[in-house]
Amino acid sequence: DAGVIQSPRHEVTEMGQEVTLRCKPISGHDYLFWYRQTMMRGLELLIYFNNNVPIDDSGMPEDRFSAKMPNASFSTLKIQPSEPRDSAVYFCASSETGVNEKLFFGSGTQLSVL
Amino acid sequence: EDQVTQSPEALRLQEGESSSLNCSYTVSGLRGLFWYRQDPGKGPEFLFTLYSAGEEKEKERLKATLTKKESFLHITAPKPEDSATYLCAVQAAGNTGKLIFGQGTTLQVKP
Repeated sequence: DAGVIQSPRHEVTEMGQEVTLRCKPISGHDYLFWYRQTMMRGLELLIYFNNNVPIDDSGMPEDRFSAKMPNASFSTLKIQPSEPRDSAVYFCASSETGVNEKLFFGSGTQLSVL
Repeated sequence: EDQVTQSPEALRLQEGESSSLNCSYTVSGLRGLFWYRQDPGKGPEFLFTLYSAGEEKEKERLKATLTKKESFLHITAPKPEDSATYLCAVQAAGNTGKLIFGQGTTLQVKP
């Protein structure tokens, strides 16, 4: 398996633009997670899905952020409109069961909002 | 509130100089404590899971231990390739799937 695949690797955009981050989890994994990593706040959980259903979105900063998982092999995280404070590395991760299971992380998307 | 604190923030060692990283946690019922390694420009990579106080796990030069309030990652005779950021995370009872991460300890091992 190729692991968790994220795209793009880098995204540079201007304030106010819409940004869409993409993730393909490992086949057979039932849980998918979106994390954000910054120097100030470290790794923060934004939202996670179980069998394509959002379970906990309490970490989503505000209504500008939305996430979808239309099928078991694809998820998106959208920011609209983007702001400079959204600049961070966004990671997608997946796991088999979500209970005491190790997470497999993608390589992340480095987002810069100018 | 569930919380994870790691210390030190950064650690510089000479090759072969053993040391320990600390992870203190406050959680309403621990389901599991996790250690990850993160290299620059990459996502975290799983190292260990510990479930109960007194448990220990080893992998090459790394050994993780767990008490009721903290975990230690002991690094014995480190090599330059052990240089990375080490992250600790906890999963609280009743929080299936949700991990709370500490800020990490960045380790640099000089040859």
